[in-house]
Parts: sequence; structure tokens; C-alpha cells
Amino acid sequence: DADVTQTPRNRITKTGKRIMLECSQTKGHDRMYWYRQDPGLGLRLIYYSFDVKDINKGEISDGYSVSRQAQAKFSLSLESAIPNQTALYFCATGGVGGFSRTEQFFGPGTRLTVL
Amino acid sequence: QKEVEQDPGPLSVPEGAIVSLNCTYSNSAFQYFMWYRQYSRKGPELLMYTYSSGNKEDGRFTAQVDKSSKYISLFIRDSQPSDSATYLCAMSAGETSYDKVIFGPGTSLSVIP
Repeated sequence: DADVTQTPRNRITKTGKRIMLECSQTKGHDRMYWYRQDPGLGLRLIYYSFDVKDINKGEISDGYSVSRQAQAKFSLSLESAIPNQTALYFCATGGVGGFSRTEQFFGPGTRLTVL
Repeated sequence: QKEVEQDPGPLSVPEGAIVSLNCTYSNSAFQYFMWYRQYSRKGPELLMYTYSSGNKEDGRFTAQVDKSSKYISLFIRDSQPSDSATYLCAMSAGETSYDKVIFGPGTSLSVIP
């Protein structure tokens, strides 16, 4: 089984709808991240969490919110989806100490299309 | 100026060729330099990393860091069709828990049999 799983893998929705993307991990990592990937722009950090009580905004958090339900679960919500949020979304996890706090393990991604 | 710049390609080479992928950066605080490989419809996976300057070799892959020029490279020898993927460079200062990893946009590589 995959260490980092994301659901759904694909989603098509309409402008104004509320969407939740879910991420679960079995790596036992405290750190979890949400990124979006756009052609030519690479991976951009939306939110990150170092534990259940520590949530931080990334560089592009506007229009998004997150919930860390447990060490292993980290959800990303789009309260009112808009077309420019169409992108590939990745969840990632990371360890602590030395290189472990730099290396990240990515899920398979969720392709979101907002019409 | 972006913190990390990378030629997006696409790059197409014949099987067996030597491939050179490069990134430049602007933040002199970066200490960890990573290369991730991303296959189509998959998440990125760490391929190699280097701490500070120097070279690191792993099989057909060699990572080089030149901190004086703020330039990193990944060389692939005897390239194979299975190397066809997008390669993302990534960097971090890695000194504190809040130091983020900054990713380049990725270079798309196709190795033609």
C-alpha cells in the first residue's frame, strides 16, 4: 500500500462549489504539506502543518483552508472554487531532524478542474 | 527574480546520450540541494540530494553543486527510455524547522529508443 494517499484522484467541479481534498499517510511523519503544481510554475506551497496544533500558511494560501484531523490526516478545502484553482494538488509528508526535515514524500496527486 | 530557475524544456535525447539538467538560484542560504523525478500522473520522488557543495554520484546519476556560481546540475549517463520524466530541482536552507523547500518548475525529459 502507498505511504501517502490522496482522495479523490480526479475531480471536476463548478465555480462556487466547496471542495475537500483528503490526504492520509502511514509513514508516521509529523509534518504534512499541501502543494499545487501548475505548468511553468512548479510546486507552490499552500499550507503546512508540523503537528495537529501547528498549522501554517504557505506562499499561496488565499482561497484555501486546511484541517489536521490527526497525525496521519491532513485535508485541504476550497471554500468557493474558482477556475484559476484548476491545478494538480499534492500532499507531502516529512520527518524531523537533519535531512529528514527537508526530504518530502509525495502522494500521487489530485487533478482538480474548476469549470 | 525567482528564487530557483530551471529551463522547462522539453528536452529530447536519443537512448544512451548524456543528459545535463541545470538550475540556478539566488538565495545563498541554501544548503540542501535535491533532485526529484516525477513520472507522468505520479507524485515527485527524491532522486538524489547533496549537502553544501561538491559532487555526488549514484549509479548513472551525478549531482553537482557550485555554490560560488549558485548553480546545480544533474547528469544522467547512458540515458534510458525509463528516465523519461520531469526532473525538479529543489533547495532548502534546512537550518530550522520552518525553512521551506523551494522547487524549480521542472525540466521535461524524453529519452527516445
